Amino acid sequence: DIQMTQSPSSLSASVGDRVTITCQASQDISNYLNWYQQKPGKAPKLLIYDASNLETGVPSRFSGSGSGTDFTFTISSLQPEDIATYYCQQYDNLPITFGPGTKVDIK
Amino acid sequence: QVQLQESGPGLVKPSQTLSLTCTVSGGSISSGSYYWSWIRQPAGKGLEWIGRIYTSGSTNYNPSLKSRVTISVDTSKNQFSLKLSSVTAADTAVYYCATILDWGQGTLVTVSS
Repeated sequence: DIQMTQSPSSLSASVGDRVTITCQASQDISNYLNWYQQKPGKAPKLLIYDASNLETGVPSRFSGSGSGTDFTFTISSLQPEDIATYYCQQYDNLPITFGPGTKVDIK
Repeated sequence: QVQLQESGPGLVKPSQTLSLTCTVSGGSISSGSYYWSWIRQPAGKGLEWIGRIYTSGSTNYNPSLKSRVTISVDTSKNQFSLKLSSVTAADTAVYYCATILDWGQGTLVTVSS
């Protein structure tokens, strides 16, 4: 299985701050990586697909980059509604695997 | 974009089989090129991919669960289903049906006598 790691596991930031989350794959996954946002009690929501493509309707303050084994997810200006846990997911190899998540809250 | 809704028993006894159904609306389960997946999440923990079925009916399962999992599709009802046998307390989780983009709201399944 491809192991996905994320850092940090949690962070607190102020409204308007730039927030960056990293995701690392245990082997090369090209750009077969998605980023999901999950709010408490809700299903995950796709934000970024294929590492860097913004899903339709997702605010442009969200972005993703990277390829191979190292990926970055950025919120350019943190908003109160962005409080959530963020997961990366690889789908290059089966089984599909997720990172452990990064919990983001407001300082 | 389609809507997905999970249904099934919320309580299953240990050693029994967990059975869930996902009803797809807003589109045909047999059209397009979709993988229809099951994913689960124990309380307070991360996401685990269980497996998927393609529109052709071919399946892929997580090796960690493969011996206990069956995913099937009923195109006449626009549904796909999950069966997980020989459950234990470790299988207690919120179970989601999903495509990459669209997810159901999730259903909590508790394994307890």
